[in-house]
Amino acid sequence: DAGITQSPRHKVTETGTPVTLRCHQTENHRYMYWYRQDPGHGLRLIHYSYGVKDTDKGEVSDGYSVSRSKTEDFLLTLESATSSQTSVYFCAISESGVSGNTIYFGEGSWLTVV
Amino acid sequence: QQQVKQSPQSLIVQKGGISIINCAYENTAFDYFPWYQQFPGKGPALLIAIRPDVSEKKEGRFTISFNKSAKQFSLHIMDSQPGDSATYFCAARRRDKIIFGKGTRLHILP
Repeated sequence: DAGITQSPRHKVTETGTPVTLRCHQTENHRYMYWYRQDPGHGLRLIHYSYGVKDTDKGEVSDGYSVSRSKTEDFLLTLESATSSQTSVYFCAISESGVSGNTIYFGEGSWLTVV
Repeated sequence: QQQVKQSPQSLIVQKGGISIINCAYENTAFDYFPWYQQFPGKGPALLIAIRPDVSEKKEGRFTISFNKSAKQFSLHIMDSQPGDSATYFCAARRRDKIIFGKGTRLHILP
């Protein structure tokens, strides 16, 4: 398994509270991604990073922000959680962007917003 | 706009049969087409992938067929086994992003 650790793995939070999910990698890969998975929607890209402090938006970035201050850590923040952000969040990493090796996924973080 | 369309949503196949999952794409800039397999409670894992200059790729019981002119590709699982029961995602890559289909839940009857 690729060295990807997501935390927390499960979280229940209240509407309006901030939430931060952490992705930690031990592979020293340049690219890191956050996806959300919802029934009937598959995997949708939220944000991705192509280097320290270098990030870009994906297809469903509204309501989310990210930060990457170190190669190994990529944080996803929900500034004010809403029920529509209840989902499973997957972090993924890639060595040379998807133009090279494929991406590897973490085990997921289950987030419930009540 | 759904850039990668996957069908069917769910599929039931008898053990030993052939499972076929289809995907279609619109953007001709896609240059890499992977398939991922996901078991409950786990993250997706790469199963097999193909580039558009190849019409078919086979790895064990898994085969991708690719039709560039029709902008379609499919996954065939030969001699399907109960252990193949999982959700399968097709995907397409453009630059540094991979776009996924909505997934197919496959169940193999013992």
